[in-house]
Amino acid sequence: GAGVSQSPSNKVTEKGKDVELRCDPISGHTALYWYRQRLGQGLEFLIYFQGNSAPDKSGLPSDRFSAERTGESVSTLTIQRTQQEDSAVYLCASSGLGHLNTEAFFGQGTRLTVV
Amino acid sequence: AQSVAQPEDQVNVAEGNPLTVKCTYSVSGNPYLFWYVQYPNRGLQFLLKYITGDNLVKGSYGFEAEFNKSQTSFHLKKPSALVSDSALYFCAVRGISGTYKYIFGTGTRLKVLA
Repeated sequence: GAGVSQSPSNKVTEKGKDVELRCDPISGHTALYWYRQRLGQGLEFLIYFQGNSAPDKSGLPSDRFSAERTGESVSTLTIQRTQQEDSAVYLCASSGLGHLNTEAFFGQGTRLTVV
Repeated sequence: AQSVAQPEDQVNVAEGNPLTVKCTYSVSGNPYLFWYVQYPNRGLQFLLKYITGDNLVKGSYGFEAEFNKSQTSFHLKKPSALVSDSALYFCAVRGISGTYKYIFGTGTRLKVLA
């Protein structure tokens, strides 16, 4: 597609339920990133994919969080046993790695509300 | 470790006046530097980047930024602010080797007053 697509755009879930967030990156982009943005705050790095592998997942807050990427394309971020503190906007971005295409392009985000 | 600092939580400027949003960085080696803008309930939009070459880089919507290696700064500027420039601005750094993750500053809210 023309841009990074994330689904759903909004998700309300009950505490303790599992949720899956999806990201479709820009076609051909080898790098894919997940960030979390709490209300009124900056971007918190979660995980970075190069192809289908994740060389840096240092930002995942706990073992309730996991992510995978398949076909060097779609990525899913899974949060198990959601807690109210997980409420935030989850942003996905993709980029190339060449010298000329270093900027990351962001999706519109998934707003997760845990009630 | 890479880091980015945006010392101002908010910048107010009158419409038509020049604006500056400050950013300093810390990274091993030569950095890739970026500015992004975020409008309410939207994702981040890329404004401009510094990779190499001229220290003054020009980007979208009339914005420019000046890379200063000795001061490790990458301030965002615009000669004449518009009310529509009011938004949240993020500076980011990415290393050129090793981890390729982007580290973002905490953001600066720009308010342009009519």
